[in-house]
Amino acid sequence: ETGVTQTPRHLVMGMTNKKSLKCEQHLGHNAMYWYKQSAKKPLELMFVYNFKEQTENNSVPSRFSPECPNSSHLFLHLHTLQPEDSALYLCASSQDGTGGYGQPQHFGDGTRLSIL
Amino acid sequence: AQTVTQSQPEMSVQEAETVTLSCTYDTSENNYYLFWYKQPPSRQMILVIRQEAYKQQNATENRFSVNFQKAAKSFSLKISDSQLGDTAMYFCAFTSMSGTASKLTFGTGTRLQVTL
Repeated sequence: ETGVTQTPRHLVMGMTNKKSLKCEQHLGHNAMYWYKQSAKKPLELMFVYNFKEQTENNSVPSRFSPECPNSSHLFLHLHTLQPEDSALYLCASSQDGTGGYGQPQHFGDGTRLSIL
Repeated sequence: AQTVTQSQPEMSVQEAETVTLSCTYDTSENNYYLFWYKQPPSRQMILVIRQEAYKQQNATENRFSVNFQKAAKSFSLKISDSQLGDTAMYFCAFTSMSGTASKLTFGTGTRLQVTL
C-alpha cells in the first residue's frame, strides 16, 4: 500500500484519443501534484492543487487538463496528445495546505504513457 | 529560478562499501529544504532523507547521511554499508519555503548500481 494510487499503470493511446489518468491519496493530505518524467530529463512539475484549488500551472499545453474534485482525488485528462508526450506521469501528495513548510511529497507508482 | 545539478549520471558500488552521490543547487533564497529521493525499478519515488537549510547539522537516516554545505550550495548523499536493495535512481530535489505548497525542483538523477 503506497498511500498514493495511480491508475492505469500503463496506457497506450493514439494521438486523437481522449483518456484520463487517475490519482488517489489515502494520506489525508491537502496538496496534490502532477509530474512528467521523461528519459534523461529532470522531473517536470506540471500542476499543483492545494485544497482543491489549482495554484500552479507550469506552462503546460492545454491538451493536458487537470481536475481535482476533492483533496483525495486528482485526474489528468488527455486529448490530442503528441508523440513527445510519451513519458511516465507521476502523481504526488503532501500535507501542505499553506505556507510551504517543506513537507515531503509522497508519490504513486506512475502511469507509463505511450502515444502512437 | 532554482536549479539542481547532479553531475554523476551513473555510479557503481560494491555491496557493503560506501558511496557518495553529488548534488549542487542554485537559489537566491535563504530558507529552503533539500531532499534525496530514491526511485527503484518499481518506479515509486521514495523519500530517503530531508535537510532543512536553516539547520547546520547534517541529516542522517540509518545508513544514509548528507553533507550539506550551504555556502557552497552542495548537498551530497552518503550511503554506508551499501545493499543490493539500494540499486535505484537517486534524485536530489529542492523546495523553497515560499508559496502555498512544496513544489519540488529535481535534478536529472544518478543511477546507482550495487554489485556483489
